[in-house]
Amino acid sequence: DTAVSQTPKYLVTQMGNDKSIKCEQNLGHDTMYWYKQDSKKFLKIMFSYNNKELIINETVPNRFSPKSPDKAHLNLHINSLELGDSAVYFCASSRAVAGGQETQYFGPGTRLLVL
Amino acid sequence: GDSVTQMEGPVTLSEEAFLTINCTYTATGYPSLFWYVQYPGEGLQLLLKATKADDKGSNKGFEATYRKETTSFHLEKGSVQVSDSAVYFCALMRNAGNMLTFGGGTRLMVKP
Repeated sequence: DTAVSQTPKYLVTQMGNDKSIKCEQNLGHDTMYWYKQDSKKFLKIMFSYNNKELIINETVPNRFSPKSPDKAHLNLHINSLELGDSAVYFCASSRAVAGGQETQYFGPGTRLLVL
Repeated sequence: GDSVTQMEGPVTLSEEAFLTINCTYTATGYPSLFWYVQYPGEGLQLLLKATKADDKGSNKGFEATYRKETTSFHLEKGSVQVSDSAVYFCALMRNAGNMLTFGGGTRLMVKP
């Protein structure tokens, strides 16, 4: 009964390919997120999404796009993969309550390696 | 923009030693503050949080106090265990939004 799950756990691919990472949460949350953790463990928000609003970190290349088939899923699609995209990608979710105090629950991460 | 600064690691301690990991922040308004922990090979777990000035968050023997005057949220534990070895992230969330801004993380290594 994992709260936030991601697939695949590991992804090795060639430069230039297109790939997707899936995320599902069973917590009934309204808002989901994608974070990128680089090789130095630095974590940065990429997207925040609920059924009303997509907030994009302006530093994220437009090769990255979130896709949400329903409230429980937020997939990350990456076009034309580059070497610098190699990182660990974390999905998270929280309730959508105004005030910014809601705890975010993280998935186990997807380790992407671009060769 | 918002930012969080943590002491660089690794921090290496012997079991039962006292732990302090410093965290300071820059943000407009009155953010909520968090400490997350990442055990090897795992995702992040919330350790504790504080939502207003002078609040103290605590969990599993760890605690941190929201100090608005020094814009700090230092993590402390009186007696660390080997099982506390992990990477600790300080983070803030502005009340106007739901996105976390993380510090660079501090790796803690506890030796028996």
